[in-house]
Amino acid sequence: TQLLEQSPQFLSIQEGENLTVYCNSSSVFSSLQWYRQEPGEGPVLLVTVVTGGEVKKLKRLTFQFGDARKDSSLHITAAQPGDTGLYLCAGVAKTSYDKVIFGPGTSLSVIP
Amino acid sequence: NAGVTQTPKFRVLKTGQSMTLLCAQDMNHEYMYWYRQDPGMGLRLIHYSVGEGTTAKGEVPDGYNVSRLKKQNFLLGLESAAPSQTSVYFCASSRQEQETQYFGPGTRLLVL
Repeated sequence: TQLLEQSPQFLSIQEGENLTVYCNSSSVFSSLQWYRQEPGEGPVLLVTVVTGGEVKKLKRLTFQFGDARKDSSLHITAAQPGDTGLYLCAGVAKTSYDKVIFGPGTSLSVIP
Repeated sequence: NAGVTQTPKFRVLKTGQSMTLLCAQDMNHEYMYWYRQDPGMGLRLIHYSVGEGTTAKGEVPDGYNVSRLKKQNFLLGLESAAPSQTSVYFCASSRQEQETQYFGPGTRLLVL
């Protein structure tokens, strides 16, 4: 059983569309990170959220941490082909012995 | 400043063969990690190290050994490769536990 679930698993959209991907758990996280992994490369950190209800923006990307710190969302406005990649959420929880654990990822394809 | 590097980039092994994957970081990070990434499974922690001379087991340690003789290097060994070890292996490092992890480009391993 995955401690972190991500949905959808795959997403294919046209350039210019908006999208939201989700990261969910039954556990409470002290912090949650979002990484983007491009094909053939390692993941790169996008953002870390630590406070329940926190919202962070990174250009066209908006990240939100749930009030109960059990879930998070990533919203992309006007998606670009350069947004294509695997989006991974990662969190630290007491149930993971304070180790960072990764979700399975959402694979996003933005078609020009 | 190369960040995290991994060698080799790609390797094909026959069942029962052994090999060592090398990870090097030039950021003076204390923490280093080895993950494997399989479709739909996300990143799973194999072993990690909290400093030179230390190693610890992660989520999926069986069939792997590691060594951290120098702070900048973290080696992952497969003594007797099995087809189930076909995967993409990522090394990462971080300054402190739970902080941003910096990933290498990955090693693609195929065990026949």
